[in-house]
Amino acid sequence: GAGVSQTPSNKVTEKGKYVELRCDPISGHTALYWYRQSLGQGPEFLIYFQGTGAADDSGLPNDRFFAVRPEGSVSTLKIQRTERGDSAVYLCASSLRDRIYSGANVLTFGAGSRLTVL
Amino acid sequence: QKEVEQDPGPLSVPEGAIVSLNCTYSNSAFQYFMWYRQYSRKGPELLMYTYSSGNKEDGRFTAQVDKSSKYISLFIRDSQPSDSATYLCAMSGSNTGKLIFGQGTTLQVKP
Repeated sequence: GAGVSQTPSNKVTEKGKYVELRCDPISGHTALYWYRQSLGQGPEFLIYFQGTGAADDSGLPNDRFFAVRPEGSVSTLKIQRTERGDSAVYLCASSLRDRIYSGANVLTFGAGSRLTVL
Repeated sequence: QKEVEQDPGPLSVPEGAIVSLNCTYSNSAFQYFMWYRQYSRKGPELLMYTYSSGNKEDGRFTAQVDKSSKYISLFIRDSQPSDSATYLCAMSGSNTGKLIFGQGTTLQVKP
């Protein structure tokens, strides 16, 4: 597609429930990133994929968070047993793989999925 | 202490003013320095990037990097109301795709 697409744009859930957030990157972009942005804060790194594999998952806060990218395109961020502190905007971004090794890593972001845990 | 520090503002200026936005960082491995702009309820969009130290100009925007001081700046000349947004600095090392962002500075340009 023309840009990074994220669904749903808004998700309201209850504490303890399971949530899935989906990201469809720009066609041809092999690197995909998940960030979390709380109100008044900058994006906080969670995980990034090169193709199907997680190249760096050091930002995942705990084992309730998990992300997959089985075919190297669409990715799903999964949050188990949601807590009120998980409320934030979850941003997805993608980039061309070769940018990472030969120049600045230019990320293109989606509009985000706003998660509210009641 | 965060790896990247950025004054959150808010910063309010009259139209036509020169705006200076700044970040400091602690990780000497950072090689790429970027500025993103984020409008309300939108994702960040890249404004400019700079490799290592130096200046880069693009229209009304100038990015400066001083690696010796671990300090980067973004200048906006002849600011416009449409420049009102949150400005995020971001940085990365040379062999990683991971960007580390500052907190963001909220800018309001008043007509």
